[in-house]
Amino acid sequence: AQTVTQSQPEMSVQEAETVTLSCTYDTSESNYYLFWYKQPPSRQMILVIRQEAYKQQNATENRFSVNFQKAAKSFSLKISDSQLGDTAMYFCAFMKAGGSNTGKLIFGQGTTLQVKP
Amino acid sequence: DTEVTQTPKHLVMGMTNKKSLKCEQHMGHRAMYWYKQKAKKPPELMFVYSYEKLSINESVPSRFSPECPNSSLLNLHLHALQPEDSALYLCASSQSYGTGDREQYFGPGTRLTVT
Repeated sequence: AQTVTQSQPEMSVQEAETVTLSCTYDTSESNYYLFWYKQPPSRQMILVIRQEAYKQQNATENRFSVNFQKAAKSFSLKISDSQLGDTAMYFCAFMKAGGSNTGKLIFGQGTTLQVKP
Repeated sequence: DTEVTQTPKHLVMGMTNKKSLKCEQHMGHRAMYWYKQKAKKPPELMFVYSYEKLSINESVPSRFSPECPNSSLLNLHLHALQPEDSALYLCASSQSYGTGDREQYFGPGTRLTVT
């Protein structure tokens, strides 16, 4: 069974600074996808970034980038130039790429990020 | 358009009531999902519909009854709920289920309170 661990329940960062959210996962699969989802307070959950395990290059989306270390089973999210609108709960998630239960998202427990002015 | 809509936004119901939650997407997605989310916790998968057929039921109590009338619409019928069923109910959709590379798009959720 796959598990996803986010070891930082809460974090804070000053506006305009950089913050890194940690995520580790456990799987015996060789092919899978990893995601970071953002859920602002009382607002919709949205996909921030995704990474295919077969790609060595780290995914980036504007101010958001990941550090994907496949051997270490680590998938951290870096937010540069933090903005007040980045205040949210962030979930790391895993999805198998084949076999049974493909398509099922396995979520971590989440990290609440507060961006301070 | 990457929008999943859910109605109502808020729902308060008694334990003897029958109510329904509605979810709609017009992205041509063929997979739709119901999740339950407690405060400050990750979403928990309840049901998955693929091509309008129920593919996964995560051992959800029978007081929750899903229905997929067509490829754009997903309902969750509620009956005889318990106070512990109070939560945010999220709907999601993806292009397909079972291929692994299909991102899920979430709706804003229905905040349910059972009194």
